[in-house]
Amino acid sequence: DLQMTQSPSTVSASVGDRVTITCRASQNLYSWVAWWQQKPGKVPKLLIFQASKLESGVSSRFSGSGSGTEFTLTISSLQPDDIATYYCQRYNGMFGQGTKVEIK
Amino acid sequence: QVQLRESGPRLVKPSETLSVTCTVSGDSSSSYYWSWIRQPPGKGLEWIGYIFSSGTTNYNPSLRSRVSISIDTPLRQFSLRLASVTAADTAVYFCARADGTRVVIDSWGQGTPVTVSS
Repeated sequence: DLQMTQSPSTVSASVGDRVTITCRASQNLYSWVAWWQQKPGKVPKLLIFQASKLESGVSSRFSGSGSGTEFTLTISSLQPDDIATYYCQRYNGMFGQGTKVEIK
Repeated sequence: QVQLRESGPRLVKPSETLSVTCTVSGDSSSSYYWSWIRQPPGKGLEWIGYIFSSGTTNYNPSLRSRVSISIDTPLRQFSLRLASVTAADTAVYFCARADGTRVVIDSWGQGTPVTVSS
C-alpha cells in the first residue's frame, strides 16, 4: 500500500526565510502529486499540481519540484500569511501526514 | 461554479453505520472523480475514497473493508457509508470533486462534523 511521508512534521522559521518541505512516496508517482495549504477551520487550498505547476492565483513564493518518489514544496520567503499546515497528496489518493509551519 | 454540500447525522453510535451525502449544484456535466476525505479533530487529512462518474470506485486500503461510496446522478448526489464505526471515526467529513482531465481536486464542500459516541 502507498505511503506518503512528509518531513519535517513542524518547521519554525523567521519571516523572510526559505522553507522546504519534503514528501517521499513508497511507490513511483511520476508527477502525480499535489500540494495543499490548510489554515485552521478552513478547507484546503491547492498550491501546486502535477508536482511543479503553480495553481492560478497562488503566490509565486510557492514552488514545487520532484518526480518519482521524492517531492519538495518550497516557500521562497516566508510571510506571516503562510502560517498553515501543508500536505502533499497523490492524485485521487493518500495525503502526507502534514507539516505545520510556524513563525519563529 | 460548482458547489458541494455535505449532509447527514452529526452523531452516530459505536458499531453503527455512518452515512453522509454530498449534494452537487452547478456544473457537473463532465466526467469527474467524486471523493470523500476526513479530518479527525486536531489531526491531518485522510483520503477515504472516490467514485468516478462511470461508477468505478477506489478506497483507502485501511478503510476498504468498511467503506462504500455510491452515486445518484439524477439527484446530483453521492454518498459515503462507513460501517462498524468507533470513536476513531469521529472527524469532519469533506466531499470533493476532481475533474477527469486534471484529476486534482478543484472543489470542496465545507465539511460536516460527525461524532461517534453512545
